[in-house]
Amino acid sequence: QVQLQESGPRLVKPSETLSLTCTVSGGSISTFYWSWIRQPPGKGLEWIGYIYYIGSTHYSPSLESRVTISLETSKNQFSLNLTSVTAADTAVYYCARGGGRFDTWGQGTLVTVSS
Amino acid sequence: EIVLTQSPGTLSLSPGERATLSCRANQSISYLAWYQQRPGQAPRLLIYGVSTRATGVPDRFSGRGSGTDFTLTISRLEPEDFAVYYCQLYGDSRTFGPGTKVDIK
Repeated sequence: QVQLQESGPRLVKPSETLSLTCTVSGGSISTFYWSWIRQPPGKGLEWIGYIYYIGSTHYSPSLESRVTISLETSKNQFSLNLTSVTAADTAVYYCARGGGRFDTWGQGTLVTVSS
Repeated sequence: EIVLTQSPGTLSLSPGERATLSCRANQSISYLAWYQQRPGQAPRLLIYGVSTRATGVPDRFSGRGSGTDFTLTISRLEPEDFAVYYCQLYGDSRTFGPGTKVDIK
């Protein structure tokens, strides 16, 4: 059974870069699409982008100028970088399997943007 | 841009009752999924392709619809079904609806 786990700093300063990693266990990352999704506290879900196992990516139009998703196949991990963050980027960040529908999710990690 | 709206915002029901949740798109769509999110947990995929239950999802959950109008039905609410439900468009874009909270009456 595939499991996903997010890791990374929980506090990021405004204007800096948010960086998170998702570690996939119980299965190979070298298949499927892999996505990042976020949820501001008390609000709904927002898809950020996905990476396909061959390395191709697709990002939300509203975030694509600030987002990079990359793959580390040897470590069975994929990562999110979000640049120039503001308080509006404070959210629970989830990694998930899938590029369209998302059938397996990590537990999520709250990242707060604050000085 | 395709926008999804969900109604009602909150549905107050008792265990054993039937829940009917609506998701509407502002233009015709083909691929729709439904998720359940319990407090403090990650969302869980319930339905994809409008009406296909995901692995392990009980058959009291069913999805239907076409074009711009879609419905998630829970035939008899169990205590663990009180949660927030999101619909999600996928295909050309990936957009979530604002959610419907099903709470205990």
